[in-house]
Amino acid sequence: DQQVKQNSPSLSVQEGRISILNCDYTNSMFDYFLWYKKYPAEGPTFLISISSIKDKNEDGRFTVFLNKSAKHLSLHIVPSQPGDSAVYFCAASARQAGGGNKLTFGTGTQLKVEL
Amino acid sequence: DTAVSQTPKYLVTQMGNDKSIKCEQNLGHDTMYWYKQDSKKFLKIMFSYNNKELIINETVPNRFSPKSPDKAHLNLHINSLELGDSAVYFCASSKGINRGRRTMNTEAFFGQGTRLTVV
Repeated sequence: DQQVKQNSPSLSVQEGRISILNCDYTNSMFDYFLWYKKYPAEGPTFLISISSIKDKNEDGRFTVFLNKSAKHLSLHIVPSQPGDSAVYFCAASARQAGGGNKLTFGTGTQLKVEL
Repeated sequence: DTAVSQTPKYLVTQMGNDKSIKCEQNLGHDTMYWYKQDSKKFLKIMFSYNNKELIINETVPNRFSPKSPDKAHLNLHINSLELGDSAVYFCASSKGINRGRRTMNTEAFFGQGTRLTVV
């Protein structure tokens, strides 16, 4: 039962162009969404997040869009750079009594930015 | 000045052995986690501790026992290792912001992972 899905296992983009990574979720209780970037042999690195009360959050070259009615979010990277080549994970969580932040991850999208 | 550090980075051991993975965070966070990434690359939560108290315990065999001696440390002990335990284990921490009875979520910071291979 995969509650967070990233249907594209890989994406190839030219340097300077826009990269768009997509994520769908099924659990309507999710109210906080995050994107992580992961290089081989390293842990996931937090990129950007968005609360369900917003539909857009921007941080430099990274913008996350949330469409709650469609249960869909996307990460836009513009302009894409070769150093952006990594696996990108979408994650979601719901508020929990007692603390904690149980992140449910998607399966990841391998982004390759080509020169 | 590593934020979340876990040791060892690689661990190769035989079936049936008992092993531990250590994790420490110097971010002052009050919540720590263990996640497992299996061979299909699924990242799934195993445990979460808040102020040394277990608050999340997913369906994990009781051969896995987390121990939190203090807020900055969360170790994972695994008894009677099996071949299927081979995976990458990630420690993480986050800061919770309390809003009444619920906690607002903040981003989690991950360690570099421990690749466990059981032979």
